[in-house]
Amino acid sequence: GDSVTQMEGPVTLSEEAFLTINCTYTATGYPSLFWYVQYPGEGLQLLLKATKADDKGSNKGFEATYRKETTSFHLEKGSVQVSDSAVYFCALITTSGTYKYIFGTGTRLKVLA
Amino acid sequence: EPEVTQTPSHQVTQMGQEVILRCVPISNHLYFYWYRQILGQKVEFLVSFYNNEISEKSEIFDDQFSVERPDGSNFTLKIRSTKLEDSAMYFCASSLASGGARNEQFFGPGTRLTVL
Repeated sequence: GDSVTQMEGPVTLSEEAFLTINCTYTATGYPSLFWYVQYPGEGLQLLLKATKADDKGSNKGFEATYRKETTSFHLEKGSVQVSDSAVYFCALITTSGTYKYIFGTGTRLKVLA
Repeated sequence: EPEVTQTPSHQVTQMGQEVILRCVPISNHLYFYWYRQILGQKVEFLVSFYNNEISEKSEIFDDQFSVERPDGSNFTLKIRSTKLEDSAMYFCASSLASGGARNEQFFGPGTRLTVL
């Protein structure tokens, strides 16, 4: 079945460091891909998405490019801030049957001042 | 901006008791979902609902669970007899369409269920 694999956390960075969180997927067809962020004690917020190959999603300085050839959707940010500390989930939406989300295990990011 | 709302934000119950978690999806959305996140783990699909019936349910969604859309606005998840392992954050989501470019699901803030 469809699946999403994320890099293990936690990831600890200093402020202004470069961030990469790896995400790869296995899916039937060409699913839409998403990154969600969850701040402590809060729900899931959509960070960015891409609906087809080579699309680049971007928001709040974060970017991710849908790479069909490597089945990847890595999240990047050039300069992280303390306020970016959160858990980041990569997800896909299945392309057959019920269109449900499949989430990765989440990667906790901690940014130190 | 329209949003999905959920009540209560936190529910504490005794093992064996029934709980009902409530959600108000975005008003023109047609597809409704429940997901669960056990503390520190990933978000897992429970059930999808369309046209007043379940479209798909996961292995987690056993006979103790049920969903209902009792009126034009609410979408509920009932757990008939709660177990300790039901303690989790429960997220409601809704979407305008099931497939295609409008398939994005919008999530509510979640209800944290604690079973003692």
